[in-house]
Amino acid sequence: DAMVIQNPRYQVTQFGKPVTLSCSQTLNHNVMYWYQQKSSQAPKLLFHYYDKDFNNEADTPDNFQSRRPNTSFCFLDIRSPGLGDAAMYLCATSRDGQASNQPQHFGDGTRLSIL
Amino acid sequence: AQSVTQLGSHVSVSEGALVLLRCNYSSSVPPYLFWYVQYPNQGLQLLLKYTTGATLVKGINGFEAEFKKSETSFHLTKPSAHMSDAAEYFCAVSVTGNSGGSNYKLTFGKGTLLTMNP
Repeated sequence: DAMVIQNPRYQVTQFGKPVTLSCSQTLNHNVMYWYQQKSSQAPKLLFHYYDKDFNNEADTPDNFQSRRPNTSFCFLDIRSPGLGDAAMYLCATSRDGQASNQPQHFGDGTRLSIL
Repeated sequence: AQSVTQLGSHVSVSEGALVLLRCNYSSSVPPYLFWYVQYPNQGLQLLLKYTTGATLVKGINGFEAEFKKSETSFHLTKPSAHMSDAAEYFCAVSVTGNSGGSNYKLTFGKGTLLTMNP
């Protein structure tokens, strides 16, 4: 009964080779988030969607893009991965981004390795 | 701007001992506060949250936290640690996003790794 599902759990790609990570949710939540988490660090927000409205963090590199084709799915595209992009990528959802007391629900993440 | 400080990047306790993980926040408006737990190679799981009302909040797995406005703190406690509590714990405060003010984001502390003494 997983509610936020990330595929794959582990992804290996080559330096500079585009890669896409996927996230799906069964919660019908309005907001979907993508975070990058490096070892022993807090998650760092890359961007989020409120419904179809895309919100990019100011310091998110242009190399990172996202797509949300429908309520249930959201994708993270890394156009030209560098060694520094090796990390755990976490997807999260929340019911209503306008209500700041709503918790976020996280998937189990995709661990990305760059060769 | 809101921020969160977790005192102690690493806490080690013995099974059955009290767990105390410290979190202080900075916020210009009444905050909403959260504790999340992260087990190895997994996502974050909500332990508990404070929004309004009772300042002592009970969460899952026997954890609780108390919101103290005068001390700007939201420390996490558990009376008796269990081996399965070994994990990373993140305190977070909600902030209003910059996108028209209608979205909210979480600001996380740097995390505290809880390990169990053998």
